[in-house]
Amino acid sequence: AQSVTQLGSHVSVSEGALVLLRCNYSSSVPPYLFWYVQYPNQGLQLLLKYTTGATLVKGINGFEAEFKKSETSFHLTKPSAHMSDAAEYFCAVIPGRTNFGNEKLTFGTGTRLTIIP
Amino acid sequence: NAGVTQTPKFQVLKTGQSMTLQCAQDMNHEYMSWYRQDPGMGLRLIHYSVGAGITDQGEVPNGYNVSRSTTEDFPLRLLSAAPSQTSVYFCASSRTRLGTDTQYFGPGTRLTVL
Repeated sequence: AQSVTQLGSHVSVSEGALVLLRCNYSSSVPPYLFWYVQYPNQGLQLLLKYTTGATLVKGINGFEAEFKKSETSFHLTKPSAHMSDAAEYFCAVIPGRTNFGNEKLTFGTGTRLTIIP
Repeated sequence: NAGVTQTPKFQVLKTGQSMTLQCAQDMNHEYMSWYRQDPGMGLRLIHYSVGAGITDQGEVPNGYNVSRSTTEDFPLRLLSAAPSQTSVYFCASSRTRLGTDTQYFGPGTRLTVL
């Protein structure tokens, strides 16, 4: 069975500082990996995803993530935080390259990002 | 396109009452799903559908029913509400069930059961 661990339920960074949100996964087969963002009182929006190919994935709003198979990680980064980045971020995984589909999407417990002015 | 829409935005029920949460999408997506979001637990899948007339259970299906009579609509029914069903409910859809197809989420319904 697959699972997702997000280290740190709350992360605070200063405006302009590096954002690093950590995600580790376990999967019995090569995974598809996702980061979603949830702004207050809204639904989830896909930031980026890794399915195959290049392991460094660029997403919207200047975010990127790197799939590191040896570390079973998919950490989310942004070089310079903006006040508008304040939100909750969810890492998620699907066992890839199998017959599994979106019904197997497993979410982490989320990391709330606060930006300090 | 309106995307994925959900009604109502907020609902308060008493224990034992029934109600239906509505979900609709106008993107002609085959796959639709319902999740519940609880603090510290991420999102958990309740039920899903891979097309009109086809539904299946997710991780936490007990106490909920679904049907999919059209491609556009995927209502979630609470048969006899319990306080444990207090949660935020999200509907999502994707073009197909494939994991490479992005899921689009609705704005959510916040349900409180007293």
